[in-house]
Amino acid sequence: ETGVTQTPRHLVMGMTNKKSLKCEQHLGHNAMYWYKQSAKKPLELMFVYSLEERVENNSVPSRFSPECPNSSHLFLHLHTLQPEDSALYLCASSQVRSGLYEQYFGPGTRLTVT
Amino acid sequence: AQSVTQLGSHVSVSEGALVLLRCNYSSSVPPYLFWYVQYPNQGLQLLLKYTTGATLVKGINGFEAEFKKSETSFHLTKPSAHMSDAAEYFCAVSGGATNKLIFGTGTLLAVQP
Repeated sequence: ETGVTQTPRHLVMGMTNKKSLKCEQHLGHNAMYWYKQSAKKPLELMFVYSLEERVENNSVPSRFSPECPNSSHLFLHLHTLQPEDSALYLCASSQVRSGLYEQYFGPGTRLTVT
Repeated sequence: AQSVTQLGSHVSVSEGALVLLRCNYSSSVPPYLFWYVQYPNQGLQLLLKYTTGATLVKGINGFEAEFKKSETSFHLTKPSAHMSDAAEYFCAVSGGATNKLIFGTGTLLAVQP
């Protein structure tokens, strides 16, 4: 595997379900990000992990719970979601403070909440 | 604080015509600027970036962008559009102590045969 991978690619869940999104980066980076992309809205940064420590949480509802067990893996645990949470969830990684400023994105998980 | 404005949420060009996608930024520190492309049902792919040095940067797929500090702009161009260029394009800015990216709202490029 190369780059940033995300699983599953598609997920349909009911409002009472609990599920998790997984992201893995194979680039040796030390920072990882979760974004939410909804139709007709700007890309929203949800969480930032730098050196496995959460450094940013942009007022995301508690029904979204991130986990970063190591620098290569990032999870987004979901529970009791709402229909408005349906969106494309993108994971990204980068190397902070090395001069490599760009972020590399995974293909996303298309989430539908019914 | 940093921000990005992309003028035109939809741009349509004919195949073979010039592509020009506009991006203006605001930044209190020297900016790092990026263009990303997103094809349907895919993640964002880095097209090109400006950090320091030469103000005209070349990217993949024949795209280039010019950093103009006096105009606070970083417009994306391609001399001749191809059908495969149809996608959504995002301009982004970062700078300062972290490399958090601030994205624009995106421009959807349509290429007509």
